[in-house]
Amino acid sequence: RKEVEQDPGPFNVPEGATVAFNCTYSNSASQSFFWYRQDCRKEPKLLMSVYSSGNEDGRFTAQLNRASQYISLLIRDSKLSDSATYLCVVNRLTGGGNKLTFGTGTQLKVEL
Amino acid sequence: EPEVTQTPSHQVTQMGQEVILRCVPISNHLYFYWYRQILGQKVEFLVSFYNNEISEKSEIFDDQFSVERPDGSNFTLKIRSTKLEDSAMYFCASTPGRPLETQYFGPGTRLLVL
Repeated sequence: RKEVEQDPGPFNVPEGATVAFNCTYSNSASQSFFWYRQDCRKEPKLLMSVYSSGNEDGRFTAQLNRASQYISLLIRDSKLSDSATYLCVVNRLTGGGNKLTFGTGTQLKVEL
Repeated sequence: EPEVTQTPSHQVTQMGQEVILRCVPISNHLYFYWYRQILGQKVEFLVSFYNNEISEKSEIFDDQFSVERPDGSNFTLKIRSTKLEDSAMYFCASTPGRPLETQYFGPGTRLLVL
């Protein structure tokens, strides 16, 4: 089983739509969680951290369910500029340090 | 806003040659990382570095790879004898004070091994 699994893409949605991405992780020792955004051939950029209490940043809402090992991202009123690949990322401490594990990403295309 | 920088942006090399990829992490950050992303695939962890030593490495990070922080600002990844399968985008990242915090990524070096 993959350590981080995401919805397959691409998601093609019209501008203004609401879209939800899901992610599951297999290692219960994972301790911090993030959504990153990656544009084509660019570096991952932090979109938001994810907390059990849920957190919102403008049109973006992220939620973590530790019991189910499930992470979600909701984008409301999607814009053309939201078109990108969304990466679910988990972080855990290891013996000596820590390790970020990325999902394969879900591609979003927002269309007129 | 401070940024992680990487040089070069692109590098083409012949199989068997050594390459050094350079990174300047954000100045007050303490934890440093290298990742790679083969075209069309996911981002993969290579190594983490703290207090002038490797703190964690993946199975990808074999004896062909090494990292160094030669001075107070640069963080380098060396590939001793490149293989075709080393062709990828290599990202450097850094974190301020604790390893579970957000990592900030540099723009990457695209390495092509011929």
